[in-house]
Amino acid sequence: DAGVIQSPRHEVTEMGQEVTLRCKPISGHNSLFWYRQTMMRGLELLIYFNNNVPIDDSGMPEDRFSAKMPNASFSTLKIQPSEPRDSAVYFCASSLETDNEQFFGPGTRLTVL
Amino acid sequence: EDQVTQSPEALRLQEGESSSLNCSYTVSGLRGLFWYRQDPGKGPEFLFTLYSAGEEKEKERLKATLTKKESFLHITAPKPEDSATYLCAVSSSGSARQLTFGSGTQLTVLP
Repeated sequence: DAGVIQSPRHEVTEMGQEVTLRCKPISGHNSLFWYRQTMMRGLELLIYFNNNVPIDDSGMPEDRFSAKMPNASFSTLKIQPSEPRDSAVYFCASSLETDNEQFFGPGTRLTVL
Repeated sequence: EDQVTQSPEALRLQEGESSSLNCSYTVSGLRGLFWYRQDPGKGPEFLFTLYSAGEEKEKERLKATLTKKESFLHITAPKPEDSATYLCAVSSSGSARQLTFGSGTQLTVLP
């Protein structure tokens, strides 16, 4: 299995622009998680889906952030408009059940200028 | 609210010098405790899951143990390739079945 796939690996954009991060979970996994990692706050859960349905989005910082999972093999995290404080590494992870071990993708390093 | 505290924040060892990393947790009903390894520029890599006090798991030079309040990751005779950040996470019955991560221990093993 190829593991969790994320794209792009690096994104540099200017403040105010829309950013879309993409994730393909491991085939057969029914739970998908979006995390943000910074030096100051560590690894934070933003939102997670179970069977393509958003279960908990309480970690989404504000309305500028949105996430979708149109099918079992694809999810997006969108930031519109982006701000410099959104600069971080964003990880996608998937698992078989919501409380079993999660498998992480390589991450997208986002820089907002 | 679930809380996970890892110590020390950073640890430098000589090759072959065994040591332990600590993960203290406060949860409302532990469902599982997870250890991950993260290399620079990469995503966390799953190592172990522990479910109940007294449980132990081993993988090469690593052994994870669990009590009712904390977990230890023991590293025996480490090698430079064991250098990484080690993350601890918990899943509890009170957290909608999601993981809460600690801030990690950055381990450096010198040759």
